[in-house]
This record gives sequence, structure tokens and C-alpha cells, in this order.
Amino acid sequence: DTGVSQNPRHKITKRGQNVTFRCDPISEHNRLYWYRQTLGQGPEFLTYFQNEAQLEKSRLLSDRFSAERPKGSFSTLEIQRTEQGDSAMYLCASSPGLVGPWDEQYFGPGTRLTVT
Amino acid sequence: QQQVKQSPQSLIVQKGGISIINCAYENTAFDYFPWYQQFPGKGPALLIAIRPDVSEKKEGRFTISFNKSAKQFSLHIMDSQPGDSATYFCAAASNTGKLIFGQGTTLQVKP
Repeated sequence: DTGVSQNPRHKITKRGQNVTFRCDPISEHNRLYWYRQTLGQGPEFLTYFQNEAQLEKSRLLSDRFSAERPKGSFSTLEIQRTEQGDSAMYLCASSPGLVGPWDEQYFGPGTRLTVT
Repeated sequence: QQQVKQSPQSLIVQKGGISIINCAYENTAFDYFPWYQQFPGKGPALLIAIRPDVSEKKEGRFTISFNKSAKQFSLHIMDSQPGDSATYFCAAASNTGKLIFGQGTTLQVKP
């Protein structure tokens, strides 16, 4: 069990560019969550997957954001036409998905995005 | 109705003292209340969690107190240590498992 991994750890991009982040959950974890955390704030829910199905998306997830989890394994989060307001830490978490909401969510180290 | 309000924003405690962080929620559909600890540059890590059918849960130096009628819960850190210095987040979840986090409390434990 190597934990949740996220790549890249840091990304600096210019406004208007597209970026893609990857999350590798703990093996055999069925649920995968994406959160966004800005400086000095708690993480905010963006979206989650049960296996390959995306079951809920936050209103924070504008049309410029898209997430996928092909084959129920790793997940990608893409931001198109980045804006300075997208600068944040993007966190991924996974859970076994066996006992509903009470499963522990294990967080990755996050990808810090800076849009210049 | 989705908010979780956390206080204080920051806390300074002497080594050996008790650290207390409070949270309040509005949505009665929440049925899982975890506390997360986060160090700089790291993702949050689960510290302790409680379900609303119990009023208190203790794990080592960490205790959650839960008041369902008041819709409040708190974290008590006994015998606080400098290594406990971190940011603490309360959270709440309903049946989807998505976590609604509080704003965070930065704890500093002075030697």
C-alpha cells in the first residue's frame, strides 16, 4: 500500500493554457474524490467517482473542468483555459467504498497549481 | 445549509495543555464527523471520527465530543505536544461520502 499519489506535485502555467493532473488511488479503492484547497481554507469538494462512474459534481466545477476515471483506476482532472482564480492545491482522496460515507478517505499530497 | 463553521481560527497552547477546537453544522443529513490534521505541504490525514449515535469518542490523547441537539462537535487534544502543531479541520459527510470541511484551525504548541 503506497498511498494515494498525485502528479505533478507543482504546476505553473500561464493564463489560458490547459492543464491536466493525475491521481493514482490506493489499490482496490472504489471511491475517488477531488477537492480544491485555497490558502488558509479547508478543502472544497469538486467531484467523486464510484469505480468509473462520476456520481456527483460540485457547482464549483465549471464547464472548464472535467474529470475522468477510466476503468475505475487512476483519475485525471483537466482544467481548460486556466484563470488566475484556479490557482489552488488540488487534492485527491480515495476510500474503499464498502461501508458508505463512513469509509476513511485517504488524501494524496496534492498538486499545487499556480496560474500566472 | 452545507456549511461547517469552525473556531477558533488559530490557537496557541503551552506544552502539556489542552487544545480545544469547536465546530457547528446545520445540515441534519450529516451523519459522519471526522477531524483531519494537515501539515504544511501535505494532504490532510484522518485523526479521529465520530458518528452521531455516540456522544464521545476517545483515541489516545484525542477526544471528540458530539452534541446532536446543538449540532456541535469539538476536538480535545490532551497533553498537547509541539509535534501536534498543525492545521486541524473538522468535516461532515452525508450519504455520498463527500466531505464538507470547516475553515481550519492553526494550532501552535509552545515548548
